[in-house]
Amino acid sequence: NAGVTQTPKFRILKIGQSMTLQCAQDMNHNYMYWYRQDPGMGLKLIYYSVGAGITDKGEVPNGYNVSRSTTEDFPLRLELAAPSQTSVYFCASSYSIRANQPQHFGDGTRLSIL
Amino acid sequence: AQKVTQAQTEISVVEKEDVTLDCVYETRDTTYYLFWYKQPPSGELVFLIRRNSFDEQNEISGRYSWNFQKSTSSFNFTITASQVVDSAVYFCALSEARSGNTDKLIFGTGTRLQVFP
Repeated sequence: NAGVTQTPKFRILKIGQSMTLQCAQDMNHNYMYWYRQDPGMGLKLIYYSVGAGITDKGEVPNGYNVSRSTTEDFPLRLELAAPSQTSVYFCASSYSIRANQPQHFGDGTRLSIL
Repeated sequence: AQKVTQAQTEISVVEKEDVTLDCVYETRDTTYYLFWYKQPPSGELVFLIRRNSFDEQNEISGRYSWNFQKSTSSFNFTITASQVVDSAVYFCALSEARSGNTDKLIFGTGTRLQVFP
């Protein structure tokens, strides 16, 4: 059972570099999410998508972009990496819009910006 | 405003002790959902339980139990006879079911539980 797969698991970037965090799910979930987890904190929503071609901002979207060309994939892009974006990033997916289904999380991507 | 408060930053217990993790939430919605997730040292997030606002029945799953009380806006989590493998960070989360909303989760800051042998 693959579930939600995130790549890479770890990455170090220099300030100003760009990169894409990959997220794929094989559960045919329509809803996908990107969160970031800062040390000692809970997760905060960056962007989410309710289906292919539809994305929307979460609580902390600045500095990030997303796209959703297929149901399976939901990549997160950092265009100009900044030290404030050092965090652990989690991708999640869920089946239902009715907030009554659990979100399934990937294992996370640990990103350091130096 | 939506908010989840986990006032206990860190709890340490000795194996076989019972431990309760507190969660207090704020919402203006009458329909909402509460979740607990476990984050072991390996870092992944593991779903433990979901509760909707209309179901105040307490739930027990093995050594885990949850006490949902709308009167105090609390959704506390108890581990009975704790084990070293229970050591993790535990997150409480809230999601509101407003029309047009999605499953956006509002997380608490987590409680780190350390169980010593």
